[in-house]
Amino acid sequence: QSALTQPASVSGSPGQSITISCTGTSSDVGGYNYVSWYQQHPGKAPKLIIYDVSNRPSGVSNRFSASESGNMASLTISGLQAEDEADYYCSSYTSSSTGVFGGGTKLTVL
Amino acid sequence: EVQLVQSGAEVKKPGESLKISCEGSGYTFTTYWIGWVRQMPGKGLEWMGVIYPGDSDTRYSPSFQGQVTISVDKSFNTAYLQWSSLKASDTAIYFCARRYNSHFDSWGQGTLVTVSS
Repeated sequence: QSALTQPASVSGSPGQSITISCTGTSSDVGGYNYVSWYQQHPGKAPKLIIYDVSNRPSGVSNRFSASESGNMASLTISGLQAEDEADYYCSSYTSSSTGVFGGGTKLTVL
Repeated sequence: EVQLVQSGAEVKKPGESLKISCEGSGYTFTTYWIGWVRQMPGKGLEWMGVIYPGDSDTRYSPSFQGQVTISVDKSFNTAYLQWSSLKASDTAIYFCARRYNSHFDSWGQGTLVTVSS
């Protein structure tokens, strides 16, 4: 299966909101409510920030929100903070009972 | 507290074999899938495969089927990722992660594998 499509980079100023898109197919994103999002700071392991399309794990800031429509999922970060600067990856369950990641998006806080 | 602790960095030559490990603690190891994720230098995350420790049911991403073997020893709460003949292109950081439903909710610290002649 092909990787999900994400923009390579996005940027925003502190306090602003940004949205990262994640486009798949009906065999992954569009076929299941199983999209998750991960944040990865340089040199660190990824961290789950959204699961099952729009749910936040305990301890994750409510500045992170997500949604899905058709074959596209989106992650929104509101009230940008310097600590949000990281790489973000979407992931989806697939029709072959495996998973797939997006190519990743580098968020720069200006 | 859920913890996944991976084995240390490895430096190998092309053609050599390798097995890296991921030990889980703080939860019932046999009731959650464990997955492996590759991250090549400067690149994104790639979903490799998962194994269910309870019965060793294994699923591989098509890109990794036949290239690696995922196994588990539930008596040691440990999952493994192995190669029979490494290539330079296997140089990467490999993460293990616990799969809850369809997402990875806890991650290991990563194992750097360097393959160079």
